[in-house]
This record gives sequence, structure tokens and C-alpha cells, in this order.
Amino acid sequence: DSGVTQTPKHLITATGQRVTLRCSPRSGDLSVYWYQQSLDQGLQFLIQYYNGEERAKGNILERFSAQQFPDLHSELNLSSLELGDSALYFCASSGGFWGTDTQYFGPGTRLTVL
Amino acid sequence: AQSVAQPEDQVNVAEGNPLTVKCTYSVSGNPYLFWYVQYPNRGLQFLLKYITGDNLVKGSYGFEAEFNKSQTSFHLKKPSALVSDSALYFCAVSHYSGYSTLTFGKGTMLLVSP
Repeated sequence: DSGVTQTPKHLITATGQRVTLRCSPRSGDLSVYWYQQSLDQGLQFLIQYYNGEERAKGNILERFSAQQFPDLHSELNLSSLELGDSALYFCASSGGFWGTDTQYFGPGTRLTVL
Repeated sequence: AQSVAQPEDQVNVAEGNPLTVKCTYSVSGNPYLFWYVQYPNRGLQFLLKYITGDNLVKGSYGFEAEFNKSQTSFHLKKPSALVSDSALYFCAVSHYSGYSTLTFGKGTMLLVSP
């Protein structure tokens, strides 16, 4: 158990809908990262927050947004969902924002868009 | 831009034999290299990382990895494979301080036969 929690574990929704994925980092970690894992794209970095502020942005679609709250939990919002958004979404956390930091991953949320 | 290549989609090895999972990277400046393992329907688990110093890094579950700067490689090794090592292995690279986002390889499926 990494100490990173994600809810829900599974999510099934329809095209055009909006969903929210939630992540709680390990105790004491200030950075939260979101990744998308799909068969065709592999593991892709989406976005990072550090202590409430956006720190880095990857291949995140404009339909997707995220935020980190004062208690350091984070939410990833996916809107106007398309079939291609079906994937496993991982949250990870680390203590800081240095390249040497180890990221610890949650169990993931499996999103299925029908 | 940084990138990671895992040239083998799958590696097959018999239990008790040594295993190697290959990884090469491309990054400007000094690389920080990581190995993660993913079991079915689970999140990624951290195995080991190379930051600096000794080129041979020891990690969890008896795994080790060898950093080779001239060949830009970071191969994962284990002297004696177990059936329970069967999983998907990811190599990842991050950059110098200031940005801790990981770029992952496509993953290598390791299958250890009894």
C-alpha cells in the first residue's frame, strides 16, 4: 500500500458527461501528479500540483482540469467525455518537486466511457 | 525533450534464471532514472532509482539496475527470477531539479515460467 488513495475505483459514464476523480496524497506529501494510462498512449503525464499551485502541465486536454485543495487532496475533472477518454487514471504524490523525488502511485480509477 | 525506450514488449524467463529488462533513455543533462512495476489491476509500485553515485542500484524484492552513461542505459536485473515477478515493468526518467515529472517507457511484460 503506497499511502495514496483514489476514488472511485471504477467509473462508467456516457459520452458528453462530466466526472470528477479524487486523490489523497501520502501524509506529508505536497506534490500531486495525474497520469493517464491507455493501451495506445501508454502512461502519460497530465498535470502536477505542488502545495495548491499548478507546477507543471503535460498532455492534458482542454476538457480536463484539476485542482489541489488546502488539505492537499486533488481532483481531476473530465468533461465532454469521449470514447477515447476511457483509460486508467493514476494519481501519484511526492514530497517536493525535485527530479530526484520518488513518486508513489495510487491504485487508479478506471474510467469507461460508453 | 526527454524520452525512454524499452525495446522489448515482452521478456520470457524460466524461474531461477537471471532476468534483464532493458531501458535506454534520452535527456539533456543528468538523468534521474526510475523503475516501477505494475501488477494486474494495481497501481505502479516503486522498485528503485538512480540519482548519482554508484552505477549499480539495489532496490526492492531483490531487483537491481545498472546505470551506464556511455550507453544511456538503465537495465533492470535480478539474479534469480520468481514466478511472482511476472508483471509489467516501466522505466522512467526525470530531469534536473525544478521539474519532477516522469516520462515513462511503454513498459515490458515479464513472464516467468515455473
